[in-house]
Amino acid sequence: DAKTTQPTSMDCAEGRAANLPCNHSTISGNEYVYWYRQIHSQGPQYIIHGLKNNETNEMASLIITEDRKSSTLILPHATLRDTAVYYCIVSLGTGNQFYFGTGTSLTVIP
Amino acid sequence: DARVTQTPRHKVTEMGQEVTMRCQPILGHNTVFWYRQTMMQGLELLAYFRNRAPLDDSGMPKDRFSAEMPDATLATLKIQPSEPRDSAVYFCASGLVGGRAGELFFGEGSRLTVL
Repeated sequence: DAKTTQPTSMDCAEGRAANLPCNHSTISGNEYVYWYRQIHSQGPQYIIHGLKNNETNEMASLIITEDRKSSTLILPHATLRDTAVYYCIVSLGTGNQFYFGTGTSLTVIP
Repeated sequence: DARVTQTPRHKVTEMGQEVTMRCQPILGHNTVFWYRQTMMQGLELLAYFRNRAPLDDSGMPKDRFSAEMPDATLATLKIQPSEPRDSAVYFCASGLVGGRAGELFFGEGSRLTVL
């Protein structure tokens, strides 16, 4: 089962940074934190993942606290196309169980 | 672009009928996941395979659901007999263990309606 807690919904103004929090207080030392998003009825899409260090790619940044009990996904300049449900997942990797929780529904407002 | 292909995209059937959903994972991927999504339950993990071997199917109702990988290019999810509560979108995803650890690629889903 999902080992993460996320707010149910959030709003963000277009062009502003969207900061999506996730709590994973029971994460084990070798589990990664992954973020996926699902736009409308499409299949989920990978965004980013990390183990201990902060990570950045062309889509987003991932900030993991030092104790690894929580993390924040940052979309630096949200656009209307970023409106989606964002899932935070804790897992040992793609060869292991990969549970999606309820996610955060992000609405980007014009 | 490589993608996960699922068929059928839409299926309407009557209660009691057999339903088979198919998934073609991305060539070279060695893990395959089946998920079911409903408004009430969200995304539920039904089963997953590594190198065609089932590792965990505890999320599936065993009496009516079965998942197999006849070969590396095909994964199937079968429901027999189907019930109205099975109405959902079924997603298949594939990934590569040891590759970009964590990137699962999802298909577009098979929307099942059982009347």
